[in-house]
Amino acid sequence: EVQLVESGGGLIQPGGSLRLSCATSGFTVSSNYMSWVRQAPGKGLEWVSSIYSGGRTFYADSVKGRFTISRDNSKNTVYLQMDSLRAEDTAMYYCAGSYSSGTIGAYWGQGTLVTVSS
Amino acid sequence: QSALTQPPSASGSPGQSVTISCTGTSSDLGAYNYVSWYQQHPGKAPKLMIYEVTKRPSGVSNRFSGSKSGNTASLTVSGLQAEDEGDYYCSSYAGSNFWVFGGGTKLTVL
Repeated sequence: EVQLVESGGGLIQPGGSLRLSCATSGFTVSSNYMSWVRQAPGKGLEWVSSIYSGGRTFYADSVKGRFTISRDNSKNTVYLQMDSLRAEDTAMYYCAGSYSSGTIGAYWGQGTLVTVSS
Repeated sequence: QSALTQPPSASGSPGQSVTISCTGTSSDLGAYNYVSWYQQHPGKAPKLMIYEVTKRPSGVSNRFSGSKSGNTASLTVSGLQAEDEGDYYCSSYAGSNFWVFGGGTKLTVL
């Protein structure tokens, strides 16, 4: 059974940094496609970033230069380093995994909440 | 990267069929057969219902089907059941390794 478990969310002041983690089981992050998708309170889904099996990384314009996606193959874990956080980054952050580059998420975690506020 | 356009709401009675549309452009949805549909219940994570326009993941009911014509994709739910109520989101590959979602459609089973 595939499981994705996010952690690392919390309350952070504007301009601060936070690192989210997505630990997986039953799913090999190094050979598949991993993404982060966020959902602001009461709003729709927004693609944030992806890391492909070959290691290439991609970002939405709204987070480019501030967020960094990475993975630790030995821990089967994906990370999202979030710097220079803004109020508009407040959202539930979901980790998603897929065997195919044709879809963002065949599997999803339960999400971790990030609140950016002073 | 503009969001795909979905109707904010849709509804149907139990047993009926309902179709939700998702409109993009010739640069995103119209250019690639990488359209997915997700179901989300309140307080829960999204669940993949359709991928690559028409494919259904293992375990998803065959009452869910997808299609695409030009710049518009559609999700049809047939034989509506109470458990189908929730929010539905489309997504599409938009080229240059970007992905875009629709704004979501709230499906109500009357």
